[in-house]
Amino acid sequence: RKEVEQDPGPFNVPEGATVAFNCTYSNSASQSFFWYRQDCRKEPKLLMSVYSSGNEDGRFTAQLNRASQYISLLIRDSKLSDSATYLCVGDYGGATNKLIFGTGTLLAVQP
Amino acid sequence: SAVISQKPSRDICQRGTSLTIQCQVDSQVTMMFWYRQQPGQSLTLIATANQGSEATYESGFVIDKFPISRPNLTFSTLTVSNMSPEDSSIYLCSVGSGHYEQYFGPGTRLTVT
Repeated sequence: RKEVEQDPGPFNVPEGATVAFNCTYSNSASQSFFWYRQDCRKEPKLLMSVYSSGNEDGRFTAQLNRASQYISLLIRDSKLSDSATYLCVGDYGGATNKLIFGTGTLLAVQP
Repeated sequence: SAVISQKPSRDICQRGTSLTIQCQVDSQVTMMFWYRQQPGQSLTLIATANQGSEATYESGFVIDKFPISRPNLTFSTLTVSNMSPEDSSIYLCSVGSGHYEQYFGPGTRLTVT
């Protein structure tokens, strides 16, 4: 079975903290990975794409370890506006363009 | 990224009825998908909407329950047929890009009473 697994949290962190989310995947055929952010009662929005070993965008860093089938997302200097659910996503593999979504990790940044 | 709209944004329906959800994209896209997100859960792929041919359904989803149309490259509909309370969920359409990323519509929140 193709799965993406995440710690559901919640992660309660103070403003300014650094927080890391971990994700494991079981489908060895997956090549592309993503982190999506989903605010309450909203649709998921693409945060970062991870095609090689990692990607960095401002305060956000994603790392991919294919040998361990492990992806992480690091958020530095957390802001109140970072509070959301973060979804780890991998592709099915092959040419289907289908994605497998993890169950999400809830982050609550406290003032 | 493409601008995606869905109609209706929400609805409350009686069991046994059907609801058709529309997904409109502001540009032509090859890949369109329909997902379900049940309360407190992540997204589950229902089907891939193929332009000009029958949709490709995932395990656990069948055409009789979730008929899908894709008449052109900018529009698709998902019908939830013979609804039961278990169909209460958020239904989302998405469009795919060339690098596997998908972008989502705002979703349709369905409550079945």
